[in-house]
Amino acid sequence: AQTVTQSQPEMSVQEAETVTLSCTYDTSENNYYLFWYKQPPSRQMILVIRQEAYKQQNATENRFSVNFQKAAKSFSLKISDSQLGDTAMYFCAFMKGTIQGAQKLVFGQGTRLTINP
Amino acid sequence: SQTIHQWPATLVQPVGSPLSLECTVEGTSNPNLYWYRQAAGRGLQLLFYSVGIGQISSEVPQNLSASRPQDRQFILSSKKLLLSDSGFYLCAWSVKFSSYEQYFGPGTRLTVT
Repeated sequence: AQTVTQSQPEMSVQEAETVTLSCTYDTSENNYYLFWYKQPPSRQMILVIRQEAYKQQNATENRFSVNFQKAAKSFSLKISDSQLGDTAMYFCAFMKGTIQGAQKLVFGQGTRLTINP
Repeated sequence: SQTIHQWPATLVQPVGSPLSLECTVEGTSNPNLYWYRQAAGRGLQLLFYSVGIGQISSEVPQNLSASRPQDRQFILSSKKLLLSDSGFYLCAWSVKFSSYEQYFGPGTRLTVT
């Protein structure tokens, strides 16, 4: 079974700093997808960024980028120029692929990120 | 555009009482539907998913059940709640055979007393 581990329960940085959140996963699959979701205090789950395992290029979305190391099974999220609105729980998630057309996501335990003014 | 609704937003129920949480999706047809539970300070655990009306797959053995009576309606139920059923329940939907994101509802906070 796939597992996802986020080793940093909490992190705190100053506004405008850069912060990196760690995620490792365990799988025997070769083709899969990785996600970072954000859960602000409103508890609404929001997709931050997505990475396909077959792509060597790291995904980027504005201030958010990932460092995907397939051999090491590592998938870290870098937030540049952090903003107060980035304060949230961040979850790393793994998806093997579709089963009967459905996607089964396996989530890590989350990292609580606080951006201080 | 697509929207996903969940109700109620919060619920306090005594141990042994029944449960019914509802999720509906608008603006799409034939979606995949999911129920997740988030325990306090923890990640999301997939409970059930459905690829069509009446088709339910259970991920973990538990005190809960799910049903999909209509294409865009997903219901989470229990006949008798346990204290361990407390948590934050999230419904989500996705496009079939897509490797893209799941779209989450606003969630229901359930407290079993």
